[in-house]
Amino acid sequence: QVQLVESGGGVVQPGGSLRLSCTASGFTFSSYDIQWVRQSPGKGLDWVAFVRYDGNSKYYADSVKGRFTISRDNSKNTLYLQMNSLTPEDTAVYYCARDSHPPAYCGGYCSVGYWGQGTLVTVSS
Amino acid sequence: EIVMTQSPATLSVSPGERAALSCWASQSVRSNLAWFQQKPGQSPRLLIYGASTRATGISARFTGSGSGTEFTLDISSLQSDDFAVYYCHQYNNWPRTFGQGTKVEIK
Repeated sequence: QVQLVESGGGVVQPGGSLRLSCTASGFTFSSYDIQWVRQSPGKGLDWVAFVRYDGNSKYYADSVKGRFTISRDNSKNTLYLQMNSLTPEDTAVYYCARDSHPPAYCGGYCSVGYWGQGTLVTVSS
Repeated sequence: EIVMTQSPATLSVSPGERAALSCWASQSVRSNLAWFQQKPGQSPRLLIYGASTRATGISARFTGSGSGTEFTLDISSLQSDDFAVYYCHQYNNWPRTFGQGTKVEIK
């Protein structure tokens, strides 16, 4: 079955950096688009960044553009999120979320389908 | 950025009754709209994609409808397991965006 396991969360000071990882199993990782979605404590869902199945296209929320970098290593079935210049507003549970189908199935427009359990990032002095 | 607006913020419903949740997009997202359910302490779960297609394993009590800018999620005969927060999500334009959520609570 599809499994997405996030790691790398923790407490970091404002202005600091953190790198999140998401290890995938149970499917052909290199065939699916994937992204990060976050959720601040007690708040709603906030889409963060997306990378195509082949790593060739990436998209970011305006709130993280220039500070966060999404990447993937298909040989290791792993997704990454490098987060720099962190602020308290970045405090959230960060979810790795795979699209529901391979992009060809949806004509390039696929919804998020599967979510990991999330990893908590706390930005505080 | 496309703004997704959900209404109401909270919906109080008795078990066995029907619930209708609304979601509006600030511009057309065609049918590239999904609904998610999230329970406390859990990750979201995909219910509906393509505005009206139920995801694998989702009960027929969940029905999605709409296109363009107006969408609805209907939940018939609410069961105890259905009380949760529901989010709509557009994946037609970058950046992808979510609504702020509708909490369905027991009346």
